[in-house]
Amino acid sequence: KQEVTQIPAALSVPEGENLVLNCSFTDSAIYNLQWFRQDPGKGLTSLLLIQSSQREQTSGRLNASLDKSSGRSTLYIAASQPGDSATYLCAADSGNTPLVFGKGTRLSVIA
Amino acid sequence: NAGVTQTPKFQVLKTGQSMTLQCAQDMNHNSMYWYRQDPGMGLRLIYYSASEGTTDKGEVPNGYNVSRLNKREFSLRLESAAPSQTSVYFCASRALPNTEAFFGQGTRLTVV
Repeated sequence: KQEVTQIPAALSVPEGENLVLNCSFTDSAIYNLQWFRQDPGKGLTSLLLIQSSQREQTSGRLNASLDKSSGRSTLYIAASQPGDSATYLCAADSGNTPLVFGKGTRLSVIA
Repeated sequence: NAGVTQTPKFQVLKTGQSMTLQCAQDMNHNSMYWYRQDPGMGLRLIYYSASEGTTDKGEVPNGYNVSRLNKREFSLRLESAAPSQTSVYFCASRALPNTEAFFGQGTRLTVV
């Protein structure tokens, strides 16, 4: 059974800092990994999807990497801004098995 | 471009009442999902429909039923609500396994 862990549960950084959010999964036979953002009281917004054949994906200031052999994915946020404050969730997808989510990292970027 | 639409956004029920949460997507997606999100527990899968005409149980199906009405719509029914079902419910859809998933804005349900 796939299990996804995100550490730390919460992170506070000053504005402008580069930061890395971590996601680990137990079953390396995943097809893809997806990163989401969730603002308080809102739904999940998809940020990046990394297919198993890819090692990374980039969108603006965000870069996500995937290392299946080590069971890890990271989300790199460059030059953080207060507007980046949110909870970031990762989810592992093992093909026909629906997305299994981590519990998220709550990020606060302090101006 | 509506994406995934959930109704209602908020609901308060008394213990024992029944209700149906509605979800519709306009992206012609094959697969649809219902999750619940609770503090400290993350998102947990209740039921899913890999394609029209099929439904399967997820991690926490007890107390719920689902109907894939057509390709667009996937409803979640609580037959006899319990306080333990107080949660935020999210519907999601995607075209195929391995593709990007899209979520609705959620239904915040309180059972008193």
